[in-house]
Amino acid sequence: GESVGLHLPTLSVQEGDNSIINCAYSNSASDYFIWYKQESGKGPQFIIDIRSNMDKRQGQRVTVLLNKTVKHLSLQIAATQPGDSAVYFCAEMRDTGNQFYFGTGTSLTVIP
Amino acid sequence: EAGVAQSPRYKIIEKRQSVAFWCNPISGHATLYWYQQILGQGPKLLIQFQNNGVVDDSQLPKDRFSAERLKGVDSTLKIQPAKLEDSAVYLCASSNLLGTEAFFGQGTRLTVV
Repeated sequence: GESVGLHLPTLSVQEGDNSIINCAYSNSASDYFIWYKQESGKGPQFIIDIRSNMDKRQGQRVTVLLNKTVKHLSLQIAATQPGDSAVYFCAEMRDTGNQFYFGTGTSLTVIP
Repeated sequence: EAGVAQSPRYKIIEKRQSVAFWCNPISGHATLYWYQQILGQGPKLLIQFQNNGVVDDSQLPKDRFSAERLKGVDSTLKIQPAKLEDSAVYLCASSNLLGTEAFFGQGTRLTVV
């Protein structure tokens, strides 16, 4: 079946380094993607989104890249801080009904 | 701006009992979602409402789960009877009609023993 998945379940980075979290999706009809951050005991928090007519979108310290050719998107976090430690999910919205489908998530640990 | 409110935060019940969760979405958001998040997994969509109508409930186990959004604002999700495998965090989210920037509540952590 079609799914959204992540390449790596865990990622550890040194404080101050850049982090890259990857996500593969299989539904070529998906036209909108969101990255969420989920801290322990909390609901997913919106970080940044991107539409399929874009290749790149930048926010504060975060950049999302979308490669539609290989159905891959990534979240780049610049100068990673301890507060960035969390599980990161990519979610895709397919072209019917505005439903969001989530991958398994990547656990990011920032080492001080 | 107030976020998505959910209650209760935690609930422990015995199997075969019933339980209900409540969600109040962001004011003005027409679309409301209920997700189930099992430990270590991503959220799984259970049901989506647009105003008071169901858009998608294809993944809702209808033999035991039910949800309603009678006035197009608040929503309740019920499980009756609960099974051990229903232990999870139940997340409510809301979004505008375009579906962009779906915002989540804190979730209700359900433990079935």
